[in-house]
Amino acid sequence: AQTVTQSQPEMSVQEAETVTLSCTYDTSENNYYLFWYKQPPSRQMILVIRQEAYKQQNATENRFSVNFQKAAKSFSLKISDSQLGDTAMYFCAFMKHDMRFGAGTRLTVKP
Amino acid sequence: DGGITQSPKYLFRKEGQNVTLSCEQNLNHDAMYWYRQDPGQGLRLIYYSQIVNDFQKGDIAEGYSVSREKKESFPLTVTSAQKNPTAFYLCASSMGAAYQPQHFGDGTRLSIL
Repeated sequence: AQTVTQSQPEMSVQEAETVTLSCTYDTSENNYYLFWYKQPPSRQMILVIRQEAYKQQNATENRFSVNFQKAAKSFSLKISDSQLGDTAMYFCAFMKHDMRFGAGTRLTVKP
Repeated sequence: DGGITQSPKYLFRKEGQNVTLSCEQNLNHDAMYWYRQDPGQGLRLIYYSQIVNDFQKGDIAEGYSVSREKKESFPLTVTSAQKNPTAFYLCASSMGAAYQPQHFGDGTRLSIL
């Protein structure tokens, strides 16, 4: 079974700075999909960004971008110009037939 | 507006009692999922269904049961066999294709009296 590892339980960043959240995964599959979800204190799960494994180009959504290294099975999330509203739990997820989540990274943006 | 509705928001269970968590979606999604979230942990898959009248066990299906009689509905029953049911439960749905992201409901917090 696929496993997803987020090695940073907690991180903090100053407002307007850049932060990178790490994610690695283990799979023998060649085609799959990767996602980052955000869970604010309201506990609603919000899709941040997604990446298709067959695409070499890293996905970007406004201030959010990923560094996808397929050979290394790494999928990090970079948040630029951090805002107070970015404070949340961030979950990395792997999807082939079903979705597997990492344990999450709690990000705090400090004013 | 389309979305996923989970009810109730808070639920209390007595020892030895079965309880059912509701999940309804009007997104016309084929696939639906149930996850359990414990403090400090990620989401763990309980059951999922990719089509009506069919469902598969996830990683932690023991003590839970589901049904998928309608495309829009995927209720989860927490049985008395689940010895540690206190958790936050999230329901999700997706178009079914692997590249489609999952849309989540707002969750149900289940506690034991």
